[in-house]
Order: sequence, then structure tokens, then C-alpha cells
Amino acid sequence: DVKVTQSSRYLVKRTGEKVFLECVQDMDHENMFWYRQDPGLGLRLIYFSYDVKMKEKGDIPEGYSVSREKKERFSLILESASTNQTSMYLCASSPGTGGWEQYFGPGTRLTVT
Amino acid sequence: AQKVTQAQTEISVVEKEDVTLDCVYETRDTTYYLFWYKQPPSGELVFLIRRNSFDEQNEISGRYSWNFQKSTSSFNFTITASQVVDSAVYFCALRSNNYGGSQGNLIFGKGTKLSVKP
Repeated sequence: DVKVTQSSRYLVKRTGEKVFLECVQDMDHENMFWYRQDPGLGLRLIYFSYDVKMKEKGDIPEGYSVSREKKERFSLILESASTNQTSMYLCASSPGTGGWEQYFGPGTRLTVT
Repeated sequence: AQKVTQAQTEISVVEKEDVTLDCVYETRDTTYYLFWYKQPPSGELVFLIRRNSFDEQNEISGRYSWNFQKSTSSFNFTITASQVVDSAVYFCALRSNNYGGSQGNLIFGKGTKLSVKP
């Protein structure tokens, strides 16, 4: 079974803090993704990576950065957390090219106060 | 433009009823893929099915069935004899090479929340 894990299920941070969300997959997938999910807006792609040290902006990259130093790990960084970044964050991975489905982690519900 | 529309925001049914979740997509690509995901209250998206644009054959898996019609750009999902455990948010998604290249980016609909009452 594909396993995608995220470092925390729930996280509470203060405005201005630097926040790290970690995602690890165990299926040797090339592609990894970070989404945020908000009521009424569905899933929106923040960043994705198709190889180690490679990253591409998604639809809403502002205020975020990412790091992929190892194939299995993809980190999302909020440089200076703001209240409008309170959301559910979902990580996903998929194998190489082609129409492969993405496999999702359990999500991290981040609250910024 | 690539777009996925799930017009039904919320659906409520009573257990054992059949229910169909609608999905309409837009793409100019001739090669594309369609997906359905389930998100139960626990939050994790669970992959249900993938269908490519060259395969219009309908699929049945237990109580689940999918009707793919290119003529109407629809990929609808039917649950037969619904159960309380089917309560979840269901997402339809599209992948085509015009969006995100070959890396497999998905365009999601906004989801349909299904509530199945006992």
C-alpha cells in the first residue's frame, strides 16, 4: 500500500512564526504535491516537485516555499505565518509521468492565531 | 481552459437510496484522465477510480459505478443502495498535459458533500 505521512494532524502557530510542514512517501514516487483545502474553494495547488531539488509553483504559491532534498520528503514552509494561511494542508505523491493517480496524506489542519 | 464542475454542493439521502454525483469537465486536450476521490470525515482523500479519455467503457465496482460520456464531457458517479459509511465529500478531478505538463497535476472540482442518513 502507498503510504503518505504528514508530520502533524493539527498545528497551532502564532502570526509571524516560521512553520514547517513535512510530508514523507514510501513508494519511491517522483512527483510530490502540496495543496490547501478551504471550504467552498476545494483543493488548490500550492507547489509541486517532480524530482529531487526541483520545484514548480502551483496556483497559489504566494507566502509559501518548499524544499525537496530527498526523493521521499517534501516540505512546505510558511516563512512568516499569517491568519489567512489557516487551512487544511494536504500532501500527495504520484509516480512519474502518465495519468497516474495521486495518493494523499491525512492532512495537517493548521491554525494561525 | 481546464475546469471541473461539480454542480451539487450537498446531497442528502436516506440509506439504501441510489445517488448520482455529477461531474462535468472542460479541456481542449484529446488525451486526458479523470478521477474520483472520496474524503471521509477523517480528512484523507482516498482514490476511487481513474479513467482515460480513450476508454468510455463504464465501470462498476460493487455498489459504485461510473458513467463516462465524452459527448457531454461528463463523468458521473453512482452509488447504489447507499450506506451511512458512504457519507463523505466526493471530488472529481481532471488531468491533462496542458496543465502542469507531464507531472500529473490534477484540477479538482469543488466537491459534493454526501450525507447518508440511517
